Amino acid sequence: EAGVTQFPSHSVIEKGQTVTLRCDPISGHDNLYWYRRVMGKEIKFLLHFVKESKQDESGMPNNRFLAERTGGTYSTLKVQPAELEDSGVYFCASSQGRDGIYEQYFGPGTRLTVT
Amino acid sequence: AQKITQTQPGMFVQEKEAVTLDCTYDTSDPSYGLFWYKQPSSGEMIFLIYQGSYDQQNATEGRYSLNFQKARKSANLVISASQLGDSAMYFCAMREGAANSKLTFGKGITLSVRP
Repeated sequence: EAGVTQFPSHSVIEKGQTVTLRCDPISGHDNLYWYRRVMGKEIKFLLHFVKESKQDESGMPNNRFLAERTGGTYSTLKVQPAELEDSGVYFCASSQGRDGIYEQYFGPGTRLTVT
Repeated sequence: AQKITQTQPGMFVQEKEAVTLDCTYDTSDPSYGLFWYKQPSSGEMIFLIYQGSYDQQNATEGRYSLNFQKARKSANLVISASQLGDSAMYFCAMREGAANSKLTFGKGITLSVRP
């Protein structure tokens, strides 16, 4: 079974540019989450999809961030325009209930550097 | 207030010995779950162990066990018979309420295993 995949693994962009991150969850997982870790700080939640619906987007920092999950499969996270403080590692995770436990499986992350 | 607190500085342990990584949490929700993740230098987040708030027994998964002390709100990870491959950063995380809700992470603890 393939794990959670993320693309690209690294992205370096200039301030003001646009970047789109992609996440492919484990097949059959309805729940998809985005998190990010800014250098030296905790991993912070961004948002949660259940299938194609946004269940919780309380962690989205501002309207420069747009997440989509069309068709309830893969998800994209677009940052437009990027700012210096957006630099960090963006993780995607997916889960599906098993015996009532929704352990989240994480992807390898996308390291975003905004210069 | 911090929901997940991991205050230990970098931890060192001799190969084959046991080590305890501390985690305290804060929640008023009676239904919650506690997770431990391992992040090696390669960057991926690996799920290790889960403890539900209503679980009567401490969780165990191979060499990992969770010392769950509900009254003290602590969920320490115990790694027995440490191996060199255990050197990594370890994150404690909590979900509150619904089983598929977001995770809140601690800052993490770096563990180094000495040969």
